[in-house]
Amino acid sequence: GAVVSQHPSWVICKSGTSVKIECRSLDFQATTMFWYRQFPKQSLMLMATSNEGSKATYEQGVEKDKFLINHASLTLSTLTVTSAHPEDSSFYICSANSMGSGGANEQFFGPGTRLTVL
Amino acid sequence: SQQGEEDPQALSIQEGENATMNCSYKTSINNLQWYRQNSGRGLVHLILIRSNEREKHSGRLRVTLDTSKKSSSLLITASRAADTASYFCAYSGGYQKVTFGTGTKLQVIP
Repeated sequence: GAVVSQHPSWVICKSGTSVKIECRSLDFQATTMFWYRQFPKQSLMLMATSNEGSKATYEQGVEKDKFLINHASLTLSTLTVTSAHPEDSSFYICSANSMGSGGANEQFFGPGTRLTVL
Repeated sequence: SQQGEEDPQALSIQEGENATMNCSYKTSINNLQWYRQNSGRGLVHLILIRSNEREKHSGRLRVTLDTSKKSSSLLITASRAADTASYFCAYSGGYQKVTFGTGTKLQVIP
């Protein structure tokens, strides 16, 4: 199946710094990628839809100036958490769509990036 | 909120028993998928069922979909300790956007 990678796997940073997380589709092109956030013992919540070559679409309640998304190519989307604070500590997961068998869109998820802000 | 509800929230069973998890959603869907997540790890795709399908099998997994009731179930037969994980349903109504259910935490006791 299609493979999506994320880098880094985990990161610890000081409050006030910015952190960039990369999401790559390794063996397919993805015009659309998605960024999710998962707090401990909770489900995944969609943050934004990343569109190649255009601005990201953010879900209600997600600050676009704080979570900067860049989808510079068909295989790479980046999420930058600006001026990170402890409440931004979470598990961030990206996904990309690939056409599965029978024509149904199937999302392939990256392994996630655990962000801890001290 | 359009987030799907899953029940039970947590389930503990003995190895060899069957585990059933249910997912209810609120919108019309094109397809519904089930994922597994081991603690602190990424998601593993288990199975996808389209809106015109009622049942699908994959190994020890059986998924049903009832679009009239806006619900789906995941059955894991002959459970193993390695099945211990959180299970999420995720559904898509179009525009590729996927909404996740609240999840069921399954513990299989050896």
